[in-house]
Amino acid sequence: NAGVTQTPKFQVLKTGQSMTLQCAQDMNHEYMSWYRQDPGMGLRLIHYSVGAGITDQGEVPNGYNVSRSTTEDFPLRLLSAAPSQTSVYFCASSYSVAGGYEQFFGPGTRLTVL
Amino acid sequence: AQTVTQSQPEMSVQEAETVTLSCTYDTSESDYYLFWYKQPPSRQMILVIRQEAYKQQNATENRFSVNFQKAAKSFSLKISDSQLGDAAMYFCAYRSGNNNDMRFGAGTRLTVKP
Repeated sequence: NAGVTQTPKFQVLKTGQSMTLQCAQDMNHEYMSWYRQDPGMGLRLIHYSVGAGITDQGEVPNGYNVSRSTTEDFPLRLLSAAPSQTSVYFCASSYSVAGGYEQFFGPGTRLTVL
Repeated sequence: AQTVTQSQPEMSVQEAETVTLSCTYDTSESDYYLFWYKQPPSRQMILVIRQEAYKQQNATENRFSVNFQKAAKSFSLKISDSQLGDAAMYFCAYRSGNNNDMRFGAGTRLTVKP
């Protein structure tokens, strides 16, 4: 099993550009989520999905879109990048929403918006 | 909304000694789960230990144990016989048992001195 994979590992964008961060898991997990990590603030939930075709907003959703067309993939889209979106982005998955199932994290994507 | 507070931005411990990292949380829910995650310089998030709120017994995983004080809303992590490989950022996290909310603390950077 590859676990949770994310691409790219690093990305530099100019203000106003768009891009998609890719996330995939091969564990047949129901629940997937995106977080951003900023210095001194821990991880904050951006969007999550409880299954294919179902997504919802987390704590900091503005400026990001997601979709979940398959169980395996959960891409995060930045439609018009802003410097405030400079951060490290983590994708995570877990077996289920209910219960305290462990979340497995991808290796992260470091995004810089100039 | 639930909040998680880690009041120690940095901690240090001598190799082979014991260290305790603090975490408090605020919630009105009765069903929830608490976690400690480790983030080494590789950036990978690794689950250290998990505690179900309905369990009175403190969780233990080898050299890692927690002191879960539900009434005080406190969830500290004790690392015994500290090793150089324990050096990392440690994040306390809260996951609601009723919805998809997951909150992280700001983290504690642990240094292990040889």
